[in-house]
Amino acid sequence: EPEVTQTPSHQVTQMGQEVILRCVPISNHLYFYWYRQILGQKVEFLVSFYNNEISEKSEIFDDQFSVERPDGSNFTLKIRSTKLEDSAMYFCASIGTSGYNEQFFGPGTRLTVL
Amino acid sequence: RKEVEQDPGPFNVPEGATVAFNCTYSNSASQSFFWYRQDCRKEPKLLMSVYSSGNEDGRFTAQLNRASQYISLLIRDSKLSDSATYLCVVTPGRGADGLTFGKGTHLIIQP
Repeated sequence: EPEVTQTPSHQVTQMGQEVILRCVPISNHLYFYWYRQILGQKVEFLVSFYNNEISEKSEIFDDQFSVERPDGSNFTLKIRSTKLEDSAMYFCASIGTSGYNEQFFGPGTRLTVL
Repeated sequence: RKEVEQDPGPFNVPEGATVAFNCTYSNSASQSFFWYRQDCRKEPKLLMSVYSSGNEDGRFTAQLNRASQYISLLIRDSKLSDSATYLCVVTPGRGADGLTFGKGTHLIIQP
């Protein structure tokens, strides 16, 4: 069964450093998403991406964040200058070609900012 | 972004029992509704979509009340493997829309 993959599974970084989280969505999907979940809290939407541009973003997704689809398979989330409060689990998700199917999530990247 | 409210639990339930969860959502424009399941430190996994007419998948039954903006999930004959956090999720329903999650209801099935 096709699945969303994410790398790395765990990233440790120093405050102020840039990090890039990588995702490979399911191959024929067209809509891509990033979510985050701070430990003990709910899953929060960050951004959606379609047709090589941002479709929607939340108030969390400020100028420190950016997304990119550099090739036909990868979808990345960059945090330019990490803060302690960026420590969280980051999930990538994708949706089928119709745009109305259920979102499928990757296993997540645990980001720890020291 | 509007909210989804759930009772966080935990619900401690003996194996074989029936358990019900509810959630309410505040965005009346929501068009698509889901229950996801999340195991500890894992990704959310789709359990089932929720349709206006109500729907059933094996031991799981979901109901939607649009007028009251209320969604429910019923689990019959609960198994130890049902222990998890159950997330109520809504979205306006267009492909580009992000999902709005509740904090989840923690279920513990006891032998």
